[in-house]
Amino acid sequence: DAKTTQPTSMDCAEGRAANLPCNHSTISGNEYVYWYRQIHSQGPQYIIHGLKNNETNEMASLIITEDRKSSTLILPHATLRDTAVYYCIVREDQAGTALIFGKGTTLSVSS
Amino acid sequence: GAVVSQHPSRVICKSGTSVKIECRSLDFQATTMFWYRQFPKKSLMLMATSNEGSKATYEQGVEKDKFLINHASLTLSTLTVTSAHPEDSSFYICSARELAGSYNEQFFGPGTRLTVL
Repeated sequence: DAKTTQPTSMDCAEGRAANLPCNHSTISGNEYVYWYRQIHSQGPQYIIHGLKNNETNEMASLIITEDRKSSTLILPHATLRDTAVYYCIVREDQAGTALIFGKGTTLSVSS
Repeated sequence: GAVVSQHPSRVICKSGTSVKIECRSLDFQATTMFWYRQFPKKSLMLMATSNEGSKATYEQGVEKDKFLINHASLTLSTLTVTSAHPEDSSFYICSARELAGSYNEQFFGPGTRLTVL
């Protein structure tokens, strides 16, 4: 069963911020929220992850609600190259545990 | 970030033949490697988890005799699709976790497109 719920698709104008939501209402205390993306016909690419604090790196920001039941991935200035499927994944940070992918959100960035 | 390579990137074979796909971690050692399969317009499905020097663990519904996985070293895992049939045509992606990583990050290869005629 999927642990996360994401919208099927979203559109964003180039240069604007893309805000991708994810619901994970059954998340447990030791589970992290990971975000990956997959550009067409390529392997998935790591974006960011977090436990309960907001996180930021050179690619994106991750905002996790206080109750940890949802999160938002923010791409501050979307470009055409950000068009991809974005996966929100919840997982314990343990050795030997594979990432399990849901359906993700297809983000289309247009000029 | 760490780099994972796959070879070949594309392969076309005849039905009934076997195909081997290699997955290498280029600049790190990986105790654990994962194999996924992805059909068109679908998400990645985990096929198996392999640990260096031991037998792979297959997900439910994945035939271990058909999809042979070998993880003989800390930098190489292979997936052999035996007696391939058209329904095995798919995008196969491997992933590796770094041995000494500070957190549980998986690095993915670029994928191998298998077409069985």
